[in-house]
Amino acid sequence: QVQLVQSGAEVKKPGSSVKVSCRASGGTFSTYSINWVRQAPGQGLEWMGRIIPLLGVPDYAQQFQGRVTITADESTNTAYMELRSLRSEDTAVYFCARADGDSSPCDYWGQGALVTVSS
Amino acid sequence: NFILTQPHSVSESPGKTVTISCTRSSGSIASNYVQWYQQRPGSAPTTVIYEDHQRPSGVPDRFSGSIDTSSNSASLTISGLRTEDESDYYCQSYHFSSRVFGGGTKLTVL
Repeated sequence: QVQLVQSGAEVKKPGSSVKVSCRASGGTFSTYSINWVRQAPGQGLEWMGRIIPLLGVPDYAQQFQGRVTITADESTNTAYMELRSLRSEDTAVYFCARADGDSSPCDYWGQGALVTVSS
Repeated sequence: NFILTQPHSVSESPGKTVTISCTRSSGSIASNYVQWYQQRPGSAPTTVIYEDHQRPSGVPDRFSGSIDTSSNSASLTISGLRTEDESDYYCQSYHFSSRVFGGGTKLTVL
């Protein structure tokens, strides 16, 4: 059974960075698309980017270009999302989600990690 | 890139049928598959429809999906509404490797 387990909640100061992890178990890691999706309080889902660990090259949503880095470690079946220059509007739950490919649905989701940006 | 527009909210009575639309702003709705997700408060989304109209195992056949090229939109239809269907629903498509989510629709079953 596939499970994605994310790191815990974080509180960050404006201008700092956060790195959220997503460890996969119960299935093949390297050939799937690992996506990062965030959800601000009371708001909708926003896709941030994705990586296919075997290929190692991430793709990012335009609005996050230059501020986000997505990586994957095949040795530990873990994906990471780092967001820099945090501002209050980045307060959100950050989900990782696995898909078979770019045209496939995200079938497995992590539990989400709440990142709060506050001075 | 394109945007996907959904109604902010819909409501209907138990036992009735409701349809949630998802309109693509540019490019054909038929060009890229549309997925639909259900999200309950405090939980991660789950897939209820994929590839425009396919239903994952375990999703009741009360849920159906379709696309309409004349209106350039996708639709999620839920028949025989139950109180447990009350959730937020999101459509999602893609452009190359980028995923695009609709703004979400809050379904109230009253």
